[in-house]
Amino acid sequence: KAGVTQTPRYLIKTRGQQVTLSCSPISGHRSVSWYQQTPGQGLQFLFEYFSETQRNKGNFPGRFSGRQFSNSRSEMNVSTLELGDSALYLCASSLGAGTLSNQPQHFGDGTRLSIL
Amino acid sequence: SQQGEEDPQALSIQEGENATMNCSYKTSINNLQWYRQNSGRGLVHLILIRSNEREKHSGRLRVTLDTSKKSSSLLITASRAADTASYFCATDAGTGANNLFFGTGTRLTVIP
Repeated sequence: KAGVTQTPRYLIKTRGQQVTLSCSPISGHRSVSWYQQTPGQGLQFLFEYFSETQRNKGNFPGRFSGRQFSNSRSEMNVSTLELGDSALYLCASSLGAGTLSNQPQHFGDGTRLSIL
Repeated sequence: SQQGEEDPQALSIQEGENATMNCSYKTSINNLQWYRQNSGRGLVHLILIRSNEREKHSGRLRVTLDTSKKSSSLLITASRAADTASYFCATDAGTGANNLFFGTGTRLTVIP
């Protein structure tokens, strides 16, 4: 069974631009969550999608958005990029029934986003 | 702010020794999970322990949970060089919000 696939692996952007990251979950998984990982703040929850609906949202500004398609694939978008958005963005999938904490999350290897 | 904090922040041991990492959290929880992250890679789920469980084993891993002290520990026995990674605990904060909060992580180095 293929794991969680994130594309691209690396991305370089400049301030003010926007970016779209993609995540393909494990087949059969309906929940997709996104996390931002930085040395200073650690791993922070961005949002979670389940059946094409945003089910949960972390404490991030509206510049961060996402969506999920009918095949469970998900994208996240960051607009008006800032230097502080430089981070590893991780996507995780799970079966989806119940809460996130009672089921293992399967992570992709992330997209390393660098803002110049 | 993050829900949990791992202790120690970094740990260096010889191959074959045991490694113990601790996680403390702030609010009541329903479940607690441990994950491993190799450098530059995603996280790998290791074990999940429910709030009504006190101890759980998986291979060379042993996890304990003390809800009265709001703490958990991960023990890796007979460590191997391949165990070198960062280890994180994750909880749901017990708020009913379906978020997952990760601790600050322990960087484990196993010296061959």
